[in-house]
Amino acid sequence: RKEVEQDPGPFNVPEGATVAFNCTYSNSASQSFFWYRQDCRKEPKLLMSVYSSGNEDGRFTAQLNRASQYISLLIRDSKLSDSATYLCVVNGPNDYKLSFGAGTTVTVRA
Amino acid sequence: SQTIHQWPATLVQPVGSPLSLECTVEGTSNPNLYWYRQAAGRGLQLLFYSVGIGQISSEVPQNLSASRPQDRQFILSSKKLLLSDSGFYLCAWTRGGSTGELFFGEGSRLTVL
Repeated sequence: RKEVEQDPGPFNVPEGATVAFNCTYSNSASQSFFWYRQDCRKEPKLLMSVYSSGNEDGRFTAQLNRASQYISLLIRDSKLSDSATYLCVVNGPNDYKLSFGAGTTVTVRA
Repeated sequence: SQTIHQWPATLVQPVGSPLSLECTVEGTSNPNLYWYRQAAGRGLQLLFYSVGIGQISSEVPQNLSASRPQDRQFILSSKKLLLSDSGFYLCAWTRGGSTGELFFGEGSRLTVL
């Protein structure tokens, strides 16, 4: 079983729509959770950390469900500039290793 | 402020040739350093990480190697490249002792022909 699994998508949504997707992780001892954004042929960049109580950053909301071992990302009022691949990141069996999901591709159309 | 530099940005190499990718971090000390590879349409695969000078942990068996000759320098090498080594190589760092935010270099796109 992969350490981190994501629905690859693509999620094709119109501008202004809400899109949400999940990521599951296998290590129940994981403590650190992140969403990264990667634009085509570019390096990944941190979008937001995911906290136990859930957190919001503008139009982006992240949730953590420890019991079911998944995190989610919701994007409200989608913009064209939100088109990207979103990577789920979880710390692995040791504290120095972060494991990446393969990414969920979101395409926002006009 | 901290910065990370990685080079070369793009390279095309024949099968069997050597490889050297270099990464340096500025503005911090004792960072954790990482090499990831991203094959076309796939996720990031951790290749190596280092928590200190001369300390290298390998995640997958392969014909690549890594070295950390100085605190803020991380080098990825191969003596003989394979076709399967093609991909997007990313160097990254975090603050020592933490699994906080990973900061990535701009990446090196390798094509092995």
